[in-house]
Amino acid sequence: GENVEQHPSTLSVQEGDSAVIKCTYSDSASNYFPWYKQELGKRPQLIIDIRSNVGEKKDQRIAVTLNKTAKHFSLHITETQPEDSAVYFCAASPPWSNTGKLIFGQGTTLQVKP
Amino acid sequence: GAVVSQHPSWVICKSGTSVKIECRSLDFQATTMFWYRQFPKQSLMLMATSNEGSKATYEQGVEKDKFLINHASLTLSTLTVTSAHPEDSSFYICSARPGQGGLGNQPQHFGDGTRLSIL
Repeated sequence: GENVEQHPSTLSVQEGDSAVIKCTYSDSASNYFPWYKQELGKRPQLIIDIRSNVGEKKDQRIAVTLNKTAKHFSLHITETQPEDSAVYFCAASPPWSNTGKLIFGQGTTLQVKP
Repeated sequence: GAVVSQHPSWVICKSGTSVKIECRSLDFQATTMFWYRQFPKQSLMLMATSNEGSKATYEQGVEKDKFLINHASLTLSTLTVTSAHPEDSSFYICSARPGQGGLGNQPQHFGDGTRLSIL
């Protein structure tokens, strides 16, 4: 089955700096890759997603890149702000599960220092 | 749009009690809902996929007789933790995906989660 590895597990940056979180997946047929942000005690919220027919997607300060050959995708946050501090999860959706099942990475705790 | 409501948000009960958690999609229909379990500072572990009108699909290692799932309508799925014990204490989160069938490339939207504490 699909396996998703996420790195780093923790990331600390200064306000205004960029943050990059990387994920790798094992099933080359996976075709959908969302990123979720989860604040302490709250629900995961979708912040950006990318499909396998696209190599890059950007939404204001957030961007995601996908390298299908290498089977990895990355989240890029520019001009980080303290409110970006949270746990970020990547996920992959294997196509053999036509229910939309997601396999999540282990999570990255991002701390943005003022 | 795409709001998912989960109740209750917090449950404390005695060992041996059965606990029912509800997950509702408020503004869309969801043929499929998902139930996750999350331990502190850990990732989301998929427990089962809830299918409207049919049996749930459980992940390996999840006891289907322990975690009963019912998806009676296109907007409601329930998870019942039967005869709960302290080791069942956890944060349970549901999610729903708009639409019916098709490829797995639509966003999942999460409920607020239920913090279950078994004494």
